[in-house]
Amino acid sequence: AQTVTQSQPEMSVQEAETVTLSCTYDTSESNYYLFWYKQPPSRQMILVIRQEAYKQQNATENRFSVNFQKAAKSFSLKISDSQLGDTAMYFCAFMDSNYQLIWGAGTKLIIKP
Amino acid sequence: SQTIHQWPATLVQPVGSPLSLECTVEGTSNPNLYWYRQAAGRGLQLLFYSVGIGQISSEVPQNLSASRPQDRQFILSSKKLLLSDSGFYLCAWSVNGPYGYTFGSGTRLTVV
Repeated sequence: AQTVTQSQPEMSVQEAETVTLSCTYDTSESNYYLFWYKQPPSRQMILVIRQEAYKQQNATENRFSVNFQKAAKSFSLKISDSQLGDTAMYFCAFMDSNYQLIWGAGTKLIIKP
Repeated sequence: SQTIHQWPATLVQPVGSPLSLECTVEGTSNPNLYWYRQAAGRGLQLLFYSVGIGQISSEVPQNLSASRPQDRQFILSSKKLLLSDSGFYLCAWSVNGPYGYTFGSGTRLTVV
């Protein structure tokens, strides 16, 4: 069975700094998809970024980028120039061949002014 | 465009009372629908998912049930609430494809 591990329960950085959230997963599948979701204090779940496993190029969305290491089964999220509005829970998720999402436990990120 | 509506936003119910949370999706047909529960500061626990009308899969045996009476309507119910049913409930939808899920705004349920 696939599993997703987020080893950092909580992180905090100063505004404008760069922060990297880690995520590892375990699967025997060769083609899959990975996601990062953000849940701010409002608790609305928001899709941040998506990566296709067969693409070597790392996905980027404005200040958000991923470092996808398929062999290591690692999928970290980098937030550049962090802003106060980035304060949120961040969830890593793996999508299996049935299009079901398997979720990590989340990392609470606090951006300090 | 597709939208998902979930209500109510907040609910306080006494122990032993019934529960009905509703979720509807607009702008798409035959979506996959999901109910999740989230404890404060914790991760997402999948409760139920549905791939079509009347088709419900339960992930965790518990005091809750789900129904899908119409294509784009998903209802979470309980006949008698327990204190342990308190939490944040999220509805989500997806299509069969690698596009992720879209979530509703959630219901904060407190059982007193």
